[in-house]
Parts: sequence; C-alpha cells; structure tokens
Amino acid sequence: AQSVSQHNHHVILSEAASLELGCNYSYGGTVNLFWYVQYPGQHLQLLLKYFSGDPLVKGIKGFEAEFIKSKFSFNLRKPSVQWSDTAEYFCAVNARTGGFKTIFGAGTRLFVKA
Amino acid sequence: DSGVTQTPKHLITATGQRVTLRCSPRSGDLSVYWYQQSLDQGLQFLIQYYNGEERAKGNILERFSAQQFPDLHSELNLSSLELGDSALYFCASSPWSGLAEGGNTGELFFGEGSRLTVL
Repeated sequence: AQSVSQHNHHVILSEAASLELGCNYSYGGTVNLFWYVQYPGQHLQLLLKYFSGDPLVKGIKGFEAEFIKSKFSFNLRKPSVQWSDTAEYFCAVNARTGGFKTIFGAGTRLFVKA
Repeated sequence: DSGVTQTPKHLITATGQRVTLRCSPRSGDLSVYWYQQSLDQGLQFLIQYYNGEERAKGNILERFSAQQFPDLHSELNLSSLELGDSALYFCASSPWSGLAEGGNTGELFFGEGSRLTVL
C-alpha cells in the first residue's frame, strides 16, 4: 500500500533561514507528487506538483521541490523563509495506474519567527 | 476561495449521536473526496465518489457512510459517535475520476473543513 512519510513534525525557523522539509513515499509505480500548504484557519491549497520531466519543480511563493526517484523522495525547499510562511505543509502522492487515491503525509508544522 | 463549500463549519455533539456533513464541489467537478484530519493521525483518506458512484475507499469506519447525489453534492454521515471521532473533516473535489486519464493532474481542491467535536 502507498504511504507517505514526512520526517519533521514541527520546524521552527527564523526569518531568512533556509527551509528543507523531507518527504518519502513508498510506491514502486509511477506517481504524481504534490505539496499542499494549510495556512492557519484556511483550507489546504496546492503549493506545487510533479508529474514528469524536470525533477526540480517550482511552485508559488518561492517554493521548489526536487523529485529523486532513486530515493523515493520529494523534498520541499525555500532559500529564505518569511513570517508569512508559517503554516502546515503536507506532502501527497497518488499513483497513476489503476484506481488511485491521494495519500497525504502527516504534515509538518512550520513556525517562522519574525 | 477554492470553490468547495462545506457545512457546517463547526459542530458539537455528544457520544452516540449521528451527524451529517455536507459538501458542495466546485462547479463542474465530478469527484468528491472526504478526508479526516486529527492531531494524532494526520490527514486520512476516507472515501471518494465520482459522478454518484463510490470510486475508492480508504480508512473509513463502518459507522461512517457517504453518498454523492445527482446534483454532485456529497454528504458524510457519522453515526454512533465516539470521542475519538472528534476531528476536522475535509471535502475536496476534482474534475477527474481518479483513474490515470488524460489531463488528470491529480490536483485536489479543498473546502475549509467541518470541525466536529464529540463530548
């Protein structure tokens, strides 16, 4: 069965620090990969997605993620975080073959200190 | 605003009771997904409907059931409620069936959730 692991449950950074959130999935087939963000009191919204092609994908608000197939990883990065990036970040995977469902990781709560 | 509407936003009820959560998908979206978000288990997939039919099932308890109506809105029914059912229940929609069809980006559009508190 598919599963998604996010390594850090809570991260605290100061503004301007660099961010990297880890995500690993377990599925041997072809997958679509996503990062969603949930700002306090708001719904989940898509940050970025990967389907094929360049394994380095860029999303909104300066975020990017790199797909490393050999490591089954899709880590999220941002060179310099801002206070407004305080949110919960979810990695998600769905399989492209057959009937599939999107599986989410447990989420990482990021708090950025001003 | 994602275009997905969920009601009620907050609900407080007692153990043993039954509640119904409602979701209206984005205009034109045929798929509705239900997720449960709790502090200890993260975001758990419950069930998916596509154009009125159940398409995929996740960790949904037998006490829970869902359906999608001809107008594409969906309801999640939770019965014999227990304290552990307290959670945020999200609905998401997408235009696709869930299969690897052409144009399927897999992106989900989430509502703001219904927070259920069972006392």
